[in-house]
Amino acid sequence: DAGVIQSPRHEVTEMGQEVTLRCKPISGHNSLFWYRQTMMRGLELLIYFNNNVPIDDSGMPEDRFSAKMPNASFSTLKIQPSEPRDSAVYFCASSPWGSYNEQFFGPGTRLTVL
Amino acid sequence: AQTVTQSQPEMSVQEAETVTLSCTYDTSESDYYLFWYKQPPSRQMILVIRQEAYKQQNATENRFSVNFQKAAKSFSLKISDSQLGDAAMYFCAYHNNAGNMLTFGGGTRLMVKP
Repeated sequence: DAGVIQSPRHEVTEMGQEVTLRCKPISGHNSLFWYRQTMMRGLELLIYFNNNVPIDDSGMPEDRFSAKMPNASFSTLKIQPSEPRDSAVYFCASSPWGSYNEQFFGPGTRLTVL
Repeated sequence: AQTVTQSQPEMSVQEAETVTLSCTYDTSESDYYLFWYKQPPSRQMILVIRQEAYKQQNATENRFSVNFQKAAKSFSLKISDSQLGDAAMYFCAYHNNAGNMLTFGGGTRLMVKP
């Protein structure tokens, strides 16, 4: 199993540009999570999906952020327009549904907005 | 809302010695799950150990064990026979029983001295 796959691993962009982060969860996992990690705020849950349906997006910072999961094997997190304060590492994680189940994290995308 | 607190931003331990990382949490729920994740410099989040709140017995995984004190809402991680490869950020996380969301503490950076 390849684990959770995220692309790109690094992204450098200029303020105002659109950024799209991609995630492929582990096959068979029906829950998918997007997290953001910064020095100031630590690890924050942005949004999570169950069976491709967004369940809780209360962590999405503002309307510039949007996430989609068009099918069980693909999700995107889009920032439009990007701002320097969006610079962070963005993680995608997946798990089978259930509290006991481990969330498997991808390697993260380091985003730098200049 | 649940909160997770790790009061030690940094810890250091001599190789082969034992170290304990602290974690406290706040919740009104009686049934939940607790996790310790490790994040080495590679950024990959790796599950170290998990504990079900309804179990009185403390979880152990090889050199890693926890001291779970439910009444005190405390969940510390003990690493025995520390190795250089244990150097990483360690995150304590709370998972409620009803939903599918992890709440992370701020992390503790562990340094292992040879």
